Amino acid sequence: DQQVKQNSPSLSVQEGRISILNCDYTNSMFDYFLWYKKYPAEGPTFLISISSIKDKNEDGRFTVFLNKSAKHLSLHIVPSQPGDSAVYFCAASAGTGTASKLTFGTGTRLQVTL
Amino acid sequence: EAEVAQSPRYKITEKSQAVAFWCDPISGHATLYWYRQILGQGPELLVQFQDESVVDDSQLPKDRFSAERLKGVDSTLKIQPAELGDSAMYLCASSFRGATHGYTFGSGTRLTVV
Repeated sequence: DQQVKQNSPSLSVQEGRISILNCDYTNSMFDYFLWYKKYPAEGPTFLISISSIKDKNEDGRFTVFLNKSAKHLSLHIVPSQPGDSAVYFCAASAGTGTASKLTFGTGTRLQVTL
Repeated sequence: EAEVAQSPRYKITEKSQAVAFWCDPISGHATLYWYRQILGQGPELLVQFQDESVVDDSQLPKDRFSAERLKGVDSTLKIQPAELGDSAMYLCASSFRGATHGYTFGSGTRLTVV
């Protein structure tokens, strides 16, 4: 049972344009969402997060939007740069505290072309 | 910047052999996680430690996998005997205050079972 879904395995965007990566979840208990970025042969690195009490969080070129009623979140990257080419994972957590853990989606491979 | 150390980076083993992975989390991080990432899929939690205690090992195949964190610092994940389907990236992560503050991942161990 995949509780966090990323239905687009890959995405290609031209440099300077907007990249939009989507994520859907099924577990209503999830209340914190994160995006991770992964380069080949490296571990994932934290990118940006959002609490369920918010609908938007922005950090530089990266913005995450949360639609709780639709159980959907998206990551916007503007403008996209070649160095953004990587696999992006959406992750979700239920509850807070030291016992909390992340459930990951299957990832979307972003390719930013010149 | 503090890092999560993992070794080895790459491991090739024959099926039915034993294999072990090591992880040293960031100093002071009480929570340690082992994830497995099969190619084309998202990371899947195998085991979660809080200090030296197992918090969640519900997805750990206990007939062949074992994990320990004896002194609440570094950790070892063992597979015995290895099977072809165990070929994956094994990722260790640590966290100071739980998943909602983000994990820090190590670079992972790429296991190939032949």
